[in-house]
Amino acid sequence: AQKITQTQPGMFVQEKEAVTLDCTYDTSDPSYGLFWYKQPSSGEMIFLIYQGSYDQQNATEGRYSLNFQKARKSANLVISASQLGDSAMYFCAMGEIHTGANSKLTFGKGITLSVRP
Amino acid sequence: DTAVSQTPKYLVTQMGNDKSIKCEQNLGHDTMYWYKQDSKKFLKIMFSYNNKELIINETVPNRFSPKSPDKAHLNLHINSLELGDSAVYFCASSQGVGGPYEQYFGPGTRLTVT
Repeated sequence: AQKITQTQPGMFVQEKEAVTLDCTYDTSDPSYGLFWYKQPSSGEMIFLIYQGSYDQQNATEGRYSLNFQKARKSANLVISASQLGDSAMYFCAMGEIHTGANSKLTFGKGITLSVRP
Repeated sequence: DTAVSQTPKYLVTQMGNDKSIKCEQNLGHDTMYWYKQDSKKFLKIMFSYNNKELIINETVPNRFSPKSPDKAHLNLHINSLELGDSAVYFCASSQGVGGPYEQYFGPGTRLTVT
């Protein structure tokens, strides 16, 4: 069974600084994908970034990058140049890779990030 | 254009009632999902459908019945609502085959059972 662990308590960062949100995972599948989602106080779930287990390079999307360390089973999200609008809950998730269509996502419990002006 | 839409956004009802939540996606995706987010913000998969076929049913009580009239729509009907059903329900969609692909979520439906 897949498991995602996010253990950091609420995180605080000063505006314009970088912050790392931790995520570790456990799976017996050789092929999988890792995702980060953002949930602001308005409630919607916003996809941020994806990393495949066989990807050689760490994924980047604008100010977001994923620090993927396969041997350590970690997939930390790095947000550079934090903005006030980055204040939200962040979820790490894992999906299986199948030839079929049952790619459900297993989510961690989330981390709350607060950006201070 | 809204990619994944859900109606209603808020639903307040009494125990024992039956209610439905509707979901539509205009992304051309083959797979749709229902997730439940509880009061502690934990998100858990409930169902997934691919081209109108049920793929995942995660030990959800049979009071919950998803229906997919076509691949762009996935509705959730809940019978005999209980207090514990109070949660935010998210619909999502993704490309179906191969995966995993990023899932695009609807705005959520906050269900309150009194």
